[in-house]
Formats: sequence, structure tokens, C-alpha cells
Amino acid sequence: GNSVTQMEGPVTLSEEAFLTINCTYTATGYPSLFWYVQYPGEGLQLLLKATKADDKGSNKGFEATYRKETTSFHLEKGSVQVSDSAVYFCALKNNQGGKLIFGQGTELSVKP
Amino acid sequence: NAGVTQTPKFQVLKTGQSMTLQCAQDMNHEYMSWYRQDPGMGLRLIHYSVGAGITDQGEVPNGYNVSRSTTEDFPLRLLSAAPSQTSVYFCASSYSITRDYTFGSGTRLTVV
Repeated sequence: GNSVTQMEGPVTLSEEAFLTINCTYTATGYPSLFWYVQYPGEGLQLLLKATKADDKGSNKGFEATYRKETTSFHLEKGSVQVSDSAVYFCALKNNQGGKLIFGQGTELSVKP
Repeated sequence: NAGVTQTPKFQVLKTGQSMTLQCAQDMNHEYMSWYRQDPGMGLRLIHYSVGAGITDQGEVPNGYNVSRSTTEDFPLRLLSAAPSQTSVYFCASSYSITRDYTFGSGTRLTVV
């Protein structure tokens, strides 16, 4: 079946540090891949997405590239800010079924 | 403002009580779904609907009922609450299974 695995958290970084959150997936067919962000006390917001192999999604300085050969969609940011502190979820959607399958989430804490 | 509205935001129930979590959207989205969020487990799909009158089970449907009598509303019913249902519940909607989801802000439910 379809599944998503994320690196465990929490991740604690200093401001302006480089961020990588690993995400790998198992899926049949050609899923779309997503990163969602959840700020404290809020719902989930779509951060970025990629719908086919080698696509790069980007938003707010975050990037992730759809790597079919390694079944990965790692999230990166070159210089994190305190305001990036949140929980980040990797997810996939098989467009035949439409269901979003989530990873377990990675909590990021950025210290000044 | 257009979006997904969930009520209530917080609820405490006693074991065995029943209640309905409300979800409404004003975007004319056909696809609606309910997730529960538990620490270390990400979001898991409870039930979903691809249109009025059509519902189906997700990954963790036991203990929950849904119905979809209108396009706008997708209530989640707990018939006899159990402590294992303590969680944060999110409703999400989408124009179609191939389009991006919009999430509500969540309902935090505690069953004592």
C-alpha cells in the first residue's frame, strides 16, 4: 500500500541554519507529493507540491524535488527563521483514489 | 471568508457520550474528508466523501459515522465516545480528487 516516512523530530536549529527534513514514500503508480506546514494552534497549510518526477516545488524559501529513483521528496531551506518553527508533514496523493496519505510529521524549532 | 469551518474548536466528553463534530465549506467542493491527528502518527483518514450522498471509509473508521446530505456539510458523529478517540480532528475539502485540499483549523477532543 501507499505510505510516507519522515525523519523523526524534534529538530532544533539556530536561526539562519540550513534545514533538511527527509521524506521517502512507497506508492503504486505516479503519486503527487506534498509538504504541509502546521503552525502552533492552527490547521494545515499547503507549503509546496510536485506532481511528477523531477519536478521541484518551492515556496517561502523552501524547496523539495520529486525523486522517483530514490522515492524521496526531501524538504530544504537555506536559512531558517524563528517564524519557521512549526510541524512539517510530507504527504502523497494517488490521483486514482484522491486520498492524502501523511507521514508522521516533523517538529521544527528554530532558536534565535 | 471562504474556507472550511469546523465547530467546536474544543470539546471534553465523558466516556459513552455521543457528539457530532461539524464541518462546513462554502467553496462548492465535492470532495470532503475527516482526519485525526495523534502524536507520532501524522494524520490518518477516518472517512471521506466524493459528493453528496456518497461516503466511504478511510484508514481508521471504527467508532465514527458520517453522512453527506448536502455539498456544504460533512458532520462526523461519535456514537459512544472512548478515551482512544481523544485526538485533534481535521476536516479537509477539495474541488475534486486531483485538486489541492483546504483544511479546517481543527477540533481538539478529549474523552475522559
